[in-house]
Amino acid sequence: AQKITQTQPGMFVQEKEAVTLDCTYDTSDPSYGLFWYKQPSSGEMIFLIYQGSYDQQNATEGRYSLNFQKARKSANLVISASQLGDSAMYFCAMRENTGNQFYFGTGTSLTVIP
Amino acid sequence: GAGVSQSPSNKVTEKGKDVELRCDPISGHTALYWYRQSLGQGLEFLIYFQGNSAPDKSGLPSDRFSAERTGGSVSTLTIQRTQQEDSAVYLCASSFIDRDRGYQPQHFGDGTRLSIL
Repeated sequence: AQKITQTQPGMFVQEKEAVTLDCTYDTSDPSYGLFWYKQPSSGEMIFLIYQGSYDQQNATEGRYSLNFQKARKSANLVISASQLGDSAMYFCAMRENTGNQFYFGTGTSLTVIP
Repeated sequence: GAGVSQSPSNKVTEKGKDVELRCDPISGHTALYWYRQSLGQGLEFLIYFQGNSAPDKSGLPSDRFSAERTGGSVSTLTIQRTQQEDSAVYLCASSFIDRDRGYQPQHFGDGTRLSIL
């Protein structure tokens, strides 16, 4: 089974609107961390936001928030007030307490339309 | 600079040649990762180094791939007898591993774009 699943290969959003990028994960480890990264066309991977499995509140970082639903094993990224510079690939990732690896999803390509 | 540094940024070589890719992690980061990203794809884990522990090589696709990390800092990924399917961007990342601080994110270099002719 895939550790991280991102079901939206491509998404479009109007500038200034909010958008949700989906991510579900699979783990039996009670302790884990969830991460979102942005990869613009220039190729660098930019860390956006982190959610720990024991965190009681959803993580927020500026215009980014993480809708963490532990029972559903989902960790969706919400981008508010989209900007043209938000157009990029977005990757969800997980690290389990028992392992070394970061598991990455296949990514979602977001295009912000003026 | 303070970030993860990778060199070269681009490498074009002929099939069958050996290549070496270098990664200089953020100072003080004990964990170092190598990934491969083919065009339009996600990240494929290759290898992980943590301190003085034995590396996790479970992601290396074949015995043509090897990596070392000297002195707990700089790492070199070596691909021997390159094949065309090795063409990809090779990304290096480093991180703190400190369970008392919670999970720390990986910080990525800009990658090496490898093209095998």
